[in-house]
Amino acid sequence: NAGVMQNPRHLVRRRGQEARLRCSPMKGHSHVYWYRQLPEEGLKFMVYLQKENIIDESGMPKERFSAEFPKEGPSILRIQQVVRGDSAAYFCASSPGQPSTDTQYFGPGTRLTVL
Amino acid sequence: LAKTTQPISMDSYEGQEVNITCSHNNIATNDYITWYQQFPSQGPRFIIQGYKTKVTNEVASLFIPADRKSSTLSLPRVSLSDTAVYYCLVVNFGNEKLTFGTGTRLTIIP
Repeated sequence: NAGVMQNPRHLVRRRGQEARLRCSPMKGHSHVYWYRQLPEEGLKFMVYLQKENIIDESGMPKERFSAEFPKEGPSILRIQQVVRGDSAAYFCASSPGQPSTDTQYFGPGTRLTVL
Repeated sequence: LAKTTQPISMDSYEGQEVNITCSHNNIATNDYITWYQQFPSQGPRFIIQGYKTKVTNEVASLFIPADRKSSTLSLPRVSLSDTAVYYCLVVNFGNEKLTFGTGTRLTIIP
């Protein structure tokens, strides 16, 4: 059973461009979470999705950021008009059910660098 | 959300047992205690989860006293490959957000 897949692993964008980060959860997992990690800091929750639905987006900035988890295909975290402050590692995790009863399994992350 | 406090860093020699303690004074009845390990440039990896008393798996043990206001992750006979950041999380049943602090940076010395 392959683990959580994220691509690309590294992404470089210039200010004002769009960044699209993809996450394929583990087989059988219908819950996906996105986290952001700044250098030397812990992970910060951004958004929680369950197939086709956004359950909790309280950690995601209201402007420029959006996330989706379609019925078919990977989950996408989209950042429009990127700024230097968006440079970070973005991690996706998945679980078969709620995280308090089911473990969240993390992918390797996408490192976004904004020039 | 219950706030956790852990040491910023720890050093240990290879072959020793390492105990990392986490305080969570305002833990709620529905909260579980979970530990993750993170290596540089990788995503966190689940180590162990518990509610009370003691839990043991193939890599670690988790000790939780009766009042549940703290917990201790125990790593037996550490090796250089155990050098990583260890995060203590309190997860609330029904709340899907994991709250990560800065964790404990464990360095194993040969």
